[in-house]
Amino acid sequence: NAGVTQTPKFRVLKTGQSMTLLCAQDMNHEYMYWYRQDPGMGLRLIHYSVGEGTTAKGEVPDGYNVSRLKKQNFLLGLESAAPSQTSVYFCASRRATGLGDSTDTQYFGPGTRLTVL
Amino acid sequence: AQSVAQPEDQVNVAEGNPLTVKCTYSVSGNPYLFWYVQYPNRGLQFLLKYITGDNLVKGSYGFEAEFNKSQTSFHLKKPSALVSDSALYFCAVRDGGSQGNLIFGKGTKLSVKP
Repeated sequence: NAGVTQTPKFRVLKTGQSMTLLCAQDMNHEYMYWYRQDPGMGLRLIHYSVGEGTTAKGEVPDGYNVSRLKKQNFLLGLESAAPSQTSVYFCASRRATGLGDSTDTQYFGPGTRLTVL
Repeated sequence: AQSVAQPEDQVNVAEGNPLTVKCTYSVSGNPYLFWYVQYPNRGLQFLLKYITGDNLVKGSYGFEAEFNKSQTSFHLKKPSALVSDSALYFCAVRDGGSQGNLIFGKGTKLSVKP
C-alpha cells in the first residue's frame, strides 16, 4: 500500500514549456486534490475532483488544467509555464465520508518541487 | 467565508518544555478543525481533528488540541517537546461548501532546541 505517490519529484522548466504532474493513490479514494505551497502562504487549493471524470476549480486555478480519467489518478497540467508557478505541488486524497466519520482526513503525497526559469 | 489564522510564523521551545502552537478560526456554522504536520521535504501528515464533542482532542505523537468556542481558537499543545517535533504545523478548517474542502493557515514553524 503506497498511499499517495507523485511523479516527478523535481522538475525545472523554461518559461512557456508545458508539463504534466501525475498523482496516483491506491486507497480507492473518491476525492483528490491538487495544492500548491509557497513560503508564508500555506497550501492553496488549485483544483479538485470528487470522482472519476469530474473536476472543479479551487482557490487558484488559473494557468492549470486537470483531468481524472481513472479513479486512482489525478493529473495536473501546465500548458505554458510561468515563473509565478514555481512552487511545491502536493496532491491529496480522501474517502467520500460524512463529516463525523473518523476516517475523514486527507492523505498527502510527498510533493513535486517545480522551478520555472 | 471560513478562515483560519496562525498568528506566529515561528515558535521556539526548549526540549522537555511544553509547547503551544496557536490557531484561531472564523466560520459560519459549526467548525470542523484540523492540524497537520509537515516534516522537511515531506508531505503533510494528519495529527488530529475536532468535529464535535470533547473540547480536548488527542492526536498522534502525543499532541493534543483544545477547542475553545468563546475564543474561537484551536491551539495545538504537547506537554513535553522533543527535538524531533521540529517541523511546520498547519491548522485547517473545512470550508462551507458541500465538498468539504480544507482551508489552510499559513503555517507555524516549530523549532525545538536540545
